Amino acid sequence: SQTIHQWPATLVQPVGSPLSLECTVEGTSNPNLYWYRQAAGRGLQLLFYSVGIGQISSEVPQNLSASRPQDRQFILSSKKLLLSDSGFYLCAWSIDSVVEKLFFGSGTQLSVL
Amino acid sequence: TQLLEQSPQFLSIQEGENLTVYCNSSSVFSSLQWYRQEPGEGPVLLVTVVTGGEVKKLKRLTFQFGDARKDSSLHITAAQPGDTGLYLCAAFSNDYKLSFGAGTTVTVRA
Repeated sequence: SQTIHQWPATLVQPVGSPLSLECTVEGTSNPNLYWYRQAAGRGLQLLFYSVGIGQISSEVPQNLSASRPQDRQFILSSKKLLLSDSGFYLCAWSIDSVVEKLFFGSGTQLSVL
Repeated sequence: TQLLEQSPQFLSIQEGENLTVYCNSSSVFSSLQWYRQEPGEGPVLLVTVVTGGEVKKLKRLTFQFGDARKDSSLHITAAQPGDTGLYLCAAFSNDYKLSFGAGTTVTVRA
């Protein structure tokens, strides 16, 4: 069966520090991969999605970047964190099918202080 | 860019009561999904509705897709504390991008 791993679960970082969040998927190949950010108790904002290795689409201009160095690995990065980067970050995957379904990781709560 | 509007934003009810959550848009969708999310966890897919007018039931949850495929509703019968969570509707704007509504926070009091 397919599983998605996202870490760390929580992270506290000072303003100006770098960021690296990692997400890996097991049990499938060539998944579509996504990074979302969520404000407390609110909907999800799509940040990046990828349909293949090295293929990244950015949805909103921001202080973040994403990379997909391997088929089932998706990384969210920042060179210098801002206070506004705080939030709940979710990685998700899907496979091409008649109707897409997204499967989410357990999220990373990032606090920038 | 499509916009999914959910209402109400918050809903607090007593155990045993019924509730309805709405998801509306001016866009037509090929399908619409409902997710439930608990604090500190990722959303979990509940259902996908595809056909205009479609009604799907998942135990005490009833999902309806509008005839024009622009809106959807989620009805919970005899709500239980375990139904507490953030309910999100979502739809694909193209093959790969899933956009979410702002969510409805449901609290069921024992």
